[in-house]
Amino acid sequence: NAGVTQTPKFQVLKTGQSMTLQCAQDMNHEYMSWYRQDPGMGLRLIHYSVGAGITDQGEVPNGYNVSRSTTEDFPLRLLSAAPSQTSVYFCASRGLAGVLGEQFFGPGTRLTVL
Amino acid sequence: AQKVTQAQTEISVVEKEDVTLDCVYETRDTTYYLFWYKQPPSGELVFLIRRNSFDEQNEISGRYSWNFQKSTSSFNFTITASQVVDSAVYFCALSEIYAGGTSYGKLTFGQGTILTVHP
Repeated sequence: NAGVTQTPKFQVLKTGQSMTLQCAQDMNHEYMSWYRQDPGMGLRLIHYSVGAGITDQGEVPNGYNVSRSTTEDFPLRLLSAAPSQTSVYFCASRGLAGVLGEQFFGPGTRLTVL
Repeated sequence: AQKVTQAQTEISVVEKEDVTLDCVYETRDTTYYLFWYKQPPSGELVFLIRRNSFDEQNEISGRYSWNFQKSTSSFNFTITASQVVDSAVYFCALSEIYAGGTSYGKLTFGQGTILTVHP
């Protein structure tokens, strides 16, 4: 199993550009989520999904869109990038059955918006 | 709303010293999960421990130990005989437990503690 994969690892955008951060998992996990990590603020939840076709907002959803057409993939879209979106982005997944187990995180995408 | 506070922004110790990382949380839920994650300089997030709110037993795993005190809403993490490889950012996190005993795993993180262990 590859676990949770994220592409790209690094990205530089200009203000106003759009892009999609890719996230995929091969563990058949229902739950997937996106976090952003900023210095001194820990990780904050952007959006999450409890299954294909179901998404909801987290703590900091503004400026980001998500969709979940398959169990495996959960892309994060920035429609018009802003310097405030410069951050490290982590995707995570876990199964829903039973007691909460380990949440698996991807390796992260470091995004810089100029 | 949930909140996790890690009072220490940075800690610097010399190898072999013991070090405790503090974590205090706020939640209205009566049942919840608490976590610690390690983020080494390479950047990935490494799961260390999960604790249920209804289990206040302390846990020890090698040089790591965790002290959970529900009365003070604290979940502190101690590294005994620290090593240079322990240098990392450590995050404490909290997750609700929904009816039925499951959780969607929405995590509320503390701001992190940067631990530097000098040789």
